[in-house]
Amino acid sequence: SQQGEEDPQALSIQEGENATMNCSYKTSINNLQWYRQNSGRGLVHLILIRSNEREKHSGRLRVTLDTSKKSSSLLITASRAADTASYFCATLTQGGSEKLVFGKGTKLTVNP
Amino acid sequence: GAVVSQHPSWVICKSGTSVKIECRSLDFQATTMFWYRQFPKQSLMLMATSNEGSKATYEQGVEKDKFLINHASLTLSTLTVTSAHPEDSSFYICSAQRTSGTPYEQYFGPGTRLTVT
Repeated sequence: SQQGEEDPQALSIQEGENATMNCSYKTSINNLQWYRQNSGRGLVHLILIRSNEREKHSGRLRVTLDTSKKSSSLLITASRAADTASYFCATLTQGGSEKLVFGKGTKLTVNP
Repeated sequence: GAVVSQHPSWVICKSGTSVKIECRSLDFQATTMFWYRQFPKQSLMLMATSNEGSKATYEQGVEKDKFLINHASLTLSTLTVTSAHPEDSSFYICSAQRTSGTPYEQYFGPGTRLTVT
């Protein structure tokens, strides 16, 4: 079942601008992960944030997690055309299951 | 490290035939592998969890007799789509979880595009 809901579904920006994508989920989680997928390709793991963390950085990526609102955001700063891809959040629920539940994704287009 | 391969990367088959897709962890051992299906412009849907040496656990709504999963070794899991139909056309992606090291992190293969004519 789809737990995560990303918004927006599609985002088009100019190179150099920041891109913010949001993800909401429904159940208690162990951690939340963000992935990137280029068209027709596999997934690349970007960043993992644990349920007891509120913010995490990795290069131009900044992820926040608000467990009270059951939401997360992914910020890509100073975007590049090469950042064009679909971005998915995925949650690992509490309770011992190791299954990831993916959101619907945001398709990001960065125009040069 | 942590490379997962899939073979084939794409396949076209005729309706009624069976297709086998392989998922291999190339540089690590994976007790658990996952199989996902992704329709165009949609997200990944987990089909089944494959554990080495035991039967796969299928998600609700996934026919286990149609999607046969075998995880015979710590580096290989296979998905066989039996009696394929056009509605089975999709992008199939596997992921592998290390037997040791960082828990919960899955490493994804590049996917296999199946087209059933």
